[in-house]
Amino acid sequence: EDQVTQSPEALRLQEGESSSLNCSYTVSGLRGLFWYRQDPGKGPEFLFTLYSAGEEKEKERLKATLTKKESFLHITAPKPEDSATYLCAVQARGGSYIPTFGRGTSLIVHP
Amino acid sequence: DSGVTQTPKHLITATGQRVTLRCSPRSGDLSVYWYQQSLDQGLQFLIQYYNGEERAKGNILERFSAQQFPDLHSELNLSSLELGDSALYFCASAPAIPSGELFFGEGSRLTVL
Repeated sequence: EDQVTQSPEALRLQEGESSSLNCSYTVSGLRGLFWYRQDPGKGPEFLFTLYSAGEEKEKERLKATLTKKESFLHITAPKPEDSATYLCAVQARGGSYIPTFGRGTSLIVHP
Repeated sequence: DSGVTQTPKHLITATGQRVTLRCSPRSGDLSVYWYQQSLDQGLQFLIQYYNGEERAKGNILERFSAQQFPDLHSELNLSSLELGDSALYFCASAPAIPSGELFFGEGSRLTVL
């Protein structure tokens, strides 16, 4: 069974204080790892797809990286508008291709 | 705006009742997914349809059922509701299978009293 564990559960940062969120996964053959952002009362919004170890993707202050066992979402010089819950999901090769989500990291950035 | 429309946004009902949640996918997307999100469980996959046919089933209770219609909209039916069914129900769509890039609606918040 595919498993995704995200840490920490919650993270409070000061504006400008860089940090990283972790996503550890167990999957029988990774097809893709996905990062989503979810604002309160909204549906998750797709951010990145990573397919293979060593791959990196960037978008504004966010950079996602992937190893064979985990992914990191690095947030550089965050702003209050980066406050949200960040979800990680994995998709296995073959089978139903249904993404399995972690429980997320709730990020609050204080001005 | 993801292009996925869910109705109703909020629903309050009593135990034992039945409700129907509706989802219109993005224009052109053939695949619809239903997820349940609660505080203690996170996002849990319920069921997936592709072009009108059921493709995958997750931990969906027997009291729950879904279908996708010829116009590609989907409905999730929840019956004999229990307090523990209170949650956010999300619909997501994707153009094809496989896809990990899902486009989520804003969800339907169900409260069972």
